[in-house]
Amino acid sequence: NAGVTQTPKFQVLKTGQSMTLQCAQDMNHEYMSWYRQDPGMGLRLIHYSVGAGITDQGEVPNGYNVSRSTTEDFPLRLLSAAPSQTSVYFCASSIFVGGVYEQYFGPGTRLTVT
Amino acid sequence: KNEVEQSPQNLTAQEGEFITINCSYSVGISALHWLQQHPGGGIVSLFMLSSGKKKHGRLIATINIQEKHSSLHITASHPRDSAVYICAVRWSRAQKLVFGQGTRLTINP
Repeated sequence: NAGVTQTPKFQVLKTGQSMTLQCAQDMNHEYMSWYRQDPGMGLRLIHYSVGAGITDQGEVPNGYNVSRSTTEDFPLRLLSAAPSQTSVYFCASSIFVGGVYEQYFGPGTRLTVT
Repeated sequence: KNEVEQSPQNLTAQEGEFITINCSYSVGISALHWLQQHPGGGIVSLFMLSSGKKKHGRLIATINIQEKHSSLHITASHPRDSAVYICAVRWSRAQKLVFGQGTRLTINP
């Protein structure tokens, strides 16, 4: 299994540009989520999905859209990038095993918005 | 106040020292995760605990459900242990994780 993969690893955008951060997992996990990591803030949940066709907002959803058309893929879209969205983005998937959720993280995407 | 508090925020030690990182949380949980993040790197799950103690190599994680507290210990620390260690909890009957702010550990040779 490749686990959780994310592309790109690095991205620089100008203010107002749009882009999609890709996330895929090959473990057939139902639950997937997007986090952003900022210095001094820890990881914060942006959006999550409990299965194909189902998404919901997390703690900091503004400025981001998601969709989940398949179990494998969970892309994160920035419609109009802002400098405040400069961050490191992590995608994660989890599976309920033995009464608890096992968590797997992607390698991250470092995004800079100028 | 963060729902998940880690201490210390920064820790510098000499190679070989015994390291303890603490995590406290405010309400009942179904599981607690300890994660490791090397500089510029991804996040790796070290342990997932719902009770008791787990050991993997030089790493030991314990949790006290009654006191809402967990510790991560590193024995015979090594410079390659230098990383940010993150505690994350999953509240009971919830799928979402709530993260602590992380502890930056530096082990000097």
